[in-house]
Amino acid sequence: GAVVSQHPSWVICKSGTSVKIECRSLDFQATTMFWYRQFPKQSLMLMATSNEGSKATYEQGVEKDKFLINHASLTLSTLTVTSAHPEDSSFYICSARSASRLAYEQYFGPGTRLTVT
Amino acid sequence: KNQVEQSPQSLIILEGKNCTLQCNYTVSPFSNLRWYKQDTGRGPVSLTIMTFSENTKSNGRYTATLDADTKQSSLHITASQLSDSASYICVVSARNSGGYQKVTFGIGTKLQVIP
Repeated sequence: GAVVSQHPSWVICKSGTSVKIECRSLDFQATTMFWYRQFPKQSLMLMATSNEGSKATYEQGVEKDKFLINHASLTLSTLTVTSAHPEDSSFYICSARSASRLAYEQYFGPGTRLTVT
Repeated sequence: KNQVEQSPQSLIILEGKNCTLQCNYTVSPFSNLRWYKQDTGRGPVSLTIMTFSENTKSNGRYTATLDADTKQSSLHITASQLSDSASYICVVSARNSGGYQKVTFGIGTKLQVIP
């Protein structure tokens, strides 16, 4: 149990276009979802935290107008990278937390590799 | 400032050997510590979760220890296998006054198991 999926697993887009990444909790309701970014040989960096039905809370330095997060249901959160640039190329990972499971457990998705050309 | 430091940064061991990875943290107030395994190009997978009162926890060939007094944790891998090759990430959570957990990730230890 506690499976989190991401779609797509990898995407290549042209500079200036927008890309949407989906994160789904498959067998539990995710009251909170987290979006991370990971550059090569670096640790996961939290970008934002979203609670179902409310606006996401962004970490310092993360542009909320560039990285649009929607958590419209208890099983789905989306991250849209708007007007993507090559420096946005990274590995994006979501994780989900459920109120009904261990309060401190986060379940991670498999990640989405974004390459902006 | 909450920090999590892991050592060594990388490690190469022969298949079948044991190894121990270290994690030191300055996160406060401490809530829990987790070890994750992250294969290249994949999301992290949880290995163990430890709270303040737990000193050791095992998951198959993985055994984690926690010393909350010295703020140190270790992950011991027994009888390593080629499939153990991955990055191992120490993640420490602090509980703030609002009940929300602030999570700090270590940079990870890259383990390579060779035949």
